[in-house]
Amino acid sequence: DAKTTQPPSMDCAEGRAANLPCNHSTISGNEYVYWYRQIHSQGPQYIIHGLKNNETNEMASLIITEDRKSSTLILPHATLRDTAVYYCIVRVEGAQKLVFGQGTRLTINP
Amino acid sequence: DTGVSQNPRHKITKRGQNVTFRCDPISEHNRLYWYRQTLGQGPEFLTYFQNEAQLEKSRLLSDRFSAERPKGSFSTLEIQRTEQGDSAMYLCASSFHGGHEQFFGPGTRLTVL
Repeated sequence: DAKTTQPPSMDCAEGRAANLPCNHSTISGNEYVYWYRQIHSQGPQYIIHGLKNNETNEMASLIITEDRKSSTLILPHATLRDTAVYYCIVRVEGAQKLVFGQGTRLTINP
Repeated sequence: DTGVSQNPRHKITKRGQNVTFRCDPISEHNRLYWYRQTLGQGPEFLTYFQNEAQLEKSRLLSDRFSAERPKGSFSTLEIQRTEQGDSAMYLCASSFHGGHEQFFGPGTRLTVL
């Protein structure tokens, strides 16, 4: 699986959009980009995933660059409950395990 | 609450003792995963089952670790002769065959004294 690089921490004001970057410059054509988050003392929670196209669901949007070497997770209107560690994961299609890095600790400030 | 339950939530044991954890996945999920997470790190994959078959094991899963899923429903993870380095959060997840999303339980926090 390709390696991902994320900033260790970020801050965002409540109500603003939180933009979390991820670099995956060695990503292969059959590798998906996944985002999970982990709120303190809970298990990880799936947010979104994508292959090439931008994706949006009720939680977030995923923007993948045209060369697929980086992506951005966007939380459009961050709330205090979005404070968590966010993990960007690259996974080969058909692979089962998720390979977590250290993620980005996002703090939403009132 | 994702629908994946784990018991116990906390376990404190003395070095050298055996411990067993249980995971009950979402009932219609045929894939089940175990991960381990130490303080400040992301979860690390240990093993996964499709139905009752254990299809992949990490090198992290030493001989002291064994996992089972006897009827393709709940799973147990046993650690024999625990060591202080086994102290961690043990997470279980489940998914559909072919599904992209893994649903995680709340974890079992193990402390080895």
